[in-house]
Amino acid sequence: ETGVTQTPRHLVMGMTNKKSLKCEQHLGHNAMYWYKQSAKKPLELMFVYSLEERVENNSVPSRFSPECPNSSHLFLHLHTLQPEDSALYLCASSLYSWTGVPVDGYTFGSGTRLTVV
Amino acid sequence: AQSVTQLGSHVSVSEGALVLLRCNYSSSVPPYLFWYVQYPNQGLQLLLKYTTGATLVKGINGFEAEFKKSETSFHLTKPSAHMSDAAEYFCAVSEKEAAGNKLTFGGGTRVLVKP
Repeated sequence: ETGVTQTPRHLVMGMTNKKSLKCEQHLGHNAMYWYKQSAKKPLELMFVYSLEERVENNSVPSRFSPECPNSSHLFLHLHTLQPEDSALYLCASSLYSWTGVPVDGYTFGSGTRLTVV
Repeated sequence: AQSVTQLGSHVSVSEGALVLLRCNYSSSVPPYLFWYVQYPNQGLQLLLKYTTGATLVKGINGFEAEFKKSETSFHLTKPSAHMSDAAEYFCAVSEKEAAGNKLTFGGGTRVLVKP
């Protein structure tokens, strides 16, 4: 365990379903991130939350909806997904510094393997 | 804007041979540099990082990397490959930015270790 826990580890959902991915960290970090990792594609940053406020949304389709109720928890709500959304979804956290640099980098969870059928 | 280029999406090495993974970056200010490793169906794990000070940094599992400012490089090496080193490796760079504490990742290099 890295200190960042993602559930579920695996998820199969139909295109009409609604599901949520959960991420939890107790490292005292105050910035959290969602990444999408597809086969043969670079890591794609989806959302960034810093101090519980969304600071970046990299033009992600509205069928993905993030929620950050506090600095320890991050959710990704999914609805009416497409088969091309099948991927490994990674959550990460970092300690936000006022210099703007995550000196210790990110700590990643183990990911949720999502399959859309 | 910062970017990271990893030369070679796949590298094959024999067990016991040198592992060399190349990473070049572009950054308008002195960067912080990281190497991560990802084993199958797992998240990314920090191998090592360069922030300031000594340009040769040592990480876990016998890996090390050297920051060369003149070459804008941060190549990762391990003198003797082990079967357990088979994984995907990602180089990442961070600059001082106003918000988001962003890391920019390279495309990754998958390492295959042959017995």
